[in-house]
Amino acid sequence: SQELEQSPQSLIVQEGKNLTINCTSSKTLYGLYWYKQKYGEGLIFLMMLQKGGEEKSHEKITAKLDEKKQQSSLHITASQPSHAGIYLCGAAPTGNQFYFGTGTSLTVIP
Amino acid sequence: KAGVTQTPRYLIKTRGQQVTLSCSPISGHRSVSWYQQTPGQGLQFLFEYFSETQRNKGNFPGRFSGRQFSNSRSEMNVSTLELGDSALYLCASSLAGSTKSTDTQYFGPGTRLTVL
Repeated sequence: SQELEQSPQSLIVQEGKNLTINCTSSKTLYGLYWYKQKYGEGLIFLMMLQKGGEEKSHEKITAKLDEKKQQSSLHITASQPSHAGIYLCGAAPTGNQFYFGTGTSLTVIP
Repeated sequence: KAGVTQTPRYLIKTRGQQVTLSCSPISGHRSVSWYQQTPGQGLQFLFEYFSETQRNKGNFPGRFSGRQFSNSRSEMNVSTLELGDSALYLCASSLAGSTKSTDTQYFGPGTRLTVL
């Protein structure tokens, strides 16, 4: 959707490398979600960020929310094959509909 | 707690037919949202139900409809199927709603619909 743009569209990294995925909103963010999807399956909830400047980590994945820039980033440290999948950011910037970003496909080469 | 379940997982229909998909939310969740995922359009919001009432609706034709029962289970119906309706249909449940910034949606495995 045009409400949330993700970059890059796809990433291919060597195992052990760090990577960052960005999600930019065209509207003010009052909360942002990150999900991961294995191809053709449901979405797995990763993290929710509610306030500007908030940063959360889970295992080797860290997400930050920059409210002023209307942007969030997802950083994976020392990537592993298990990190492969499609990463999606999501938010309800207008308050009446939930939008998902365009998605980032991550491939981790062993 | 059991997660969100969707049935059936796979479905093959022909153009012009209609189809009904089912979603059972996590126990205690009163909101169910439906999404369509296609390679070209990505994940798009269809509609959301809360306590048996449609709360929000995305930009889809009237052929797409839904309902929610008193036990929060939801069904989605697509009538007069078109080739372009081939997609992965995902439902998500949450306590208070998809647009509540303090709430989290949990997704089912999806129903893969193929229209021939």
